[in-house]
Amino acid sequence: KQEVTQIPAALSVPEGENLVLNCSFTDSAIYNLQWFRQDPGKGLTSLLLIQSSQREQTSGRLNASLDKSSGRSTLYIAASQPGDSATYLCAVPQGGSYIPTFGRGTSLIVHP
Amino acid sequence: DGGITQSPKYLFRKEGQNVTLSCEQNLNHDAMYWYRQDPGQGLRLIYYSQIVNDFQKGDIAEGYSVSREKKESFPLTVTSAQKNPTAFYLCASSIGQAIYGYTFGSGTRLTVV
Repeated sequence: KQEVTQIPAALSVPEGENLVLNCSFTDSAIYNLQWFRQDPGKGLTSLLLIQSSQREQTSGRLNASLDKSSGRSTLYIAASQPGDSATYLCAVPQGGSYIPTFGRGTSLIVHP
Repeated sequence: DGGITQSPKYLFRKEGQNVTLSCEQNLNHDAMYWYRQDPGQGLRLIYYSQIVNDFQKGDIAEGYSVSREKKESFPLTVTSAQKNPTAFYLCASSIGQAIYGYTFGSGTRLTVV
């Protein structure tokens, strides 16, 4: 069964720092990996989707990389802003299927 | 705009009552999912459906029921058998093999009073 771990569980940084959030998974037979953002009491907003054949995806200040062989993905946030404060989750399909398994998330606070 | 609509946003249930949470999508997605989210526990899969009139239990299906009579709709009923139903419930959908990832609704907060 796919297990997904996100490190760190929480992060508090001053505005302007570059950040790296980590996601590791146990079964590398995946179709893709998706990063989400969740604000308190809200649903999940998709940030980046990386297909299994890709190594990275970029959107604005966000860059996500995928290393299937080592079972790892990182989300890089450049020049963090207070508006980036949220919980970030990665979703990885269960091995050989498309049913997503989630990590517990990284809770990020960016203070001015 | 295409998306997923969950209603109501907040729901209160008395002990012993069944309640139904609505999830509707206009994305023409084949697969739909229900997740439960509790503080510190992440998202746990309750039920999922790949096609109309077919659904499968997830990791925590006890005390819940679903139906999939239409492609657009996947309602979740929280029955009185669910001992601790207070939680945040999220509905999601995807094209069959999720090649374009997953889309989520805005969630329903259920509280037992």
